[in-house]
Amino acid sequence: GDSVTQMEGPVTLSEEAFLTINCTYTATGYPSLFWYVQYPGEGLQLLLKATKADDKGSNKGFEATYRKETTSFHLEKGSVQVSDSAVYFCALSDQNNAGNMLTFGGGTRLMVKP
Amino acid sequence: KAGVTQTPRYLIKTRGQQVTLSCSPISGHRSVSWYQQTPGQGLQFLFEYFSETQRNKGNFPGRFSGRQFSNSRSEMNVSTLELGDSALYLCASSLYQGIQPQHFGDGTRLSIL
Repeated sequence: GDSVTQMEGPVTLSEEAFLTINCTYTATGYPSLFWYVQYPGEGLQLLLKATKADDKGSNKGFEATYRKETTSFHLEKGSVQVSDSAVYFCALSDQNNAGNMLTFGGGTRLMVKP
Repeated sequence: KAGVTQTPRYLIKTRGQQVTLSCSPISGHRSVSWYQQTPGQGLQFLFEYFSETQRNKGNFPGRFSGRQFSNSRSEMNVSTLELGDSALYLCASSLYQGIQPQHFGDGTRLSIL
C-alpha cells in the first residue's frame, strides 16, 4: 500500500536559518504530493502541492520538488521565521485511488527560536 | 468565503456512549472526507462521501459510520465509544471526488473518560 515517511522531529532552528524537512513516499500509481501545516489548535492548511514528476510547488517562501527517481518531496525554506513554528505533514493522493484519500506522514514539529 | 465548519469543537464522552460529529463543507464543495488524528497513529483516513454515497473507507471498525446529506453536509457517528477513540477528528472538503486539494476544518476534539 501507499506510505509516506518523514523525518522525525522536533526540528529546532534559529530565526533566519535554512530549513529542510525530508519526505519520501511509496505509491503504486502516480501520486500527487502535498505539504500541509498545522498550527496549535487548528486543522491542516495546504502549504503547497505538486502533481507530476519534476513539478515544484511553492508558497510563502517554502518549496518542494517532486522527485520521481528518488521518490522524494523534501520541504525547504531559505530563512525561517518564528511564525513558521508548527507541525508539517507530507501527504500523497494516489491517482489510482480515484478518490480523495490522503496518506500522511507522521508529521514533523518545527520550532523556531528568535 | 466561509471555510469548512466542524461542530462541536470539543466533546467529552464516557465509554460505551455514542457521539455524532458534524461537518459543513465549503459552499459548492460536494466531496467530504473524515480523518482521525492521534499522537500514536497520526492522521488516518476514515471515509469519503460524495453525492450522499460513501465512496471510500479506511481501515476502521464498523462502530465508525457516516453519512452525507443532499446539501453536502456530513456527519460521522461513533458508537460504543472506547478510550482509544479519543482523538482530533478532522473533516475536509473538495469540489468533487478525486479532485485535490482538500480544505480542512479545525476539527472536533473528542475526549473519552
